[in-house]
Amino acid sequence: GEDVEQSLFLSVREGDSSVINCTYTDSSSTYLYWYKQEPGAGLQLLTYIFSNMDMKQDQRLTVLLNKKDKHLSLRIADTQTGDSAIYFCAESTKGNTGKLIFGQGTTLQVKP
Amino acid sequence: ETGVTQTPRHLVMGMTNKKSLKCEQHLGHNAMYWYKQSAKKPLELMFVYSLEERVENNSVPSRFSPECPNSSHLFLHLHTLQPEDSALYLCASSQEGGGGNTIYFGEGSWLTVV
Repeated sequence: GEDVEQSLFLSVREGDSSVINCTYTDSSSTYLYWYKQEPGAGLQLLTYIFSNMDMKQDQRLTVLLNKKDKHLSLRIADTQTGDSAIYFCAESTKGNTGKLIFGQGTTLQVKP
Repeated sequence: ETGVTQTPRHLVMGMTNKKSLKCEQHLGHNAMYWYKQSAKKPLELMFVYSLEERVENNSVPSRFSPECPNSSHLFLHLHTLQPEDSALYLCASSQEGGGGNTIYFGEGSWLTVV
């Protein structure tokens, strides 16, 4: 079945870059998403990428997609303490864009 | 801010109670969803409503009963829940069709069953 895997924890120093990785198994994935969840809050959509793209950049965020390896990454430049949160990778397939398959989430800890 | 509003934010209920979670989306979307987030488990899709019709029920126990009276509102009626149903329940909405969309989530309702 469909599966999305993420590492559970990442710790970086403030000002460094953070790279959060995700792998997925469904080759028919059409959209891949990154969501952020702060403590006690819901999911905030950070960015998404269509499967025919290799890269998408949005301010401090860079998403890289390697469709051959089914690997997605989120790079946060100049990481700030406010970036501390859980980051979820998710995928959807054409025709089922609301049915997301989520990874377990990566907890990002930013140390001052 | 969010275009998807959920109430209540926190709910504590006994196993014999009946309660409801409410979700309202202000984005003009035509599809709404309930997801469940439990500790140490990935988010799970529970129900999907598209154009007010339920199109997906992911083997959810009947003690959870969804209702979608119109495209802007979604309810989750809760009845005789179990302690293991304690979780964060997230509502989401999207605009289906047109080749692609993004899914927006509410802040969630924290449910504790005692």
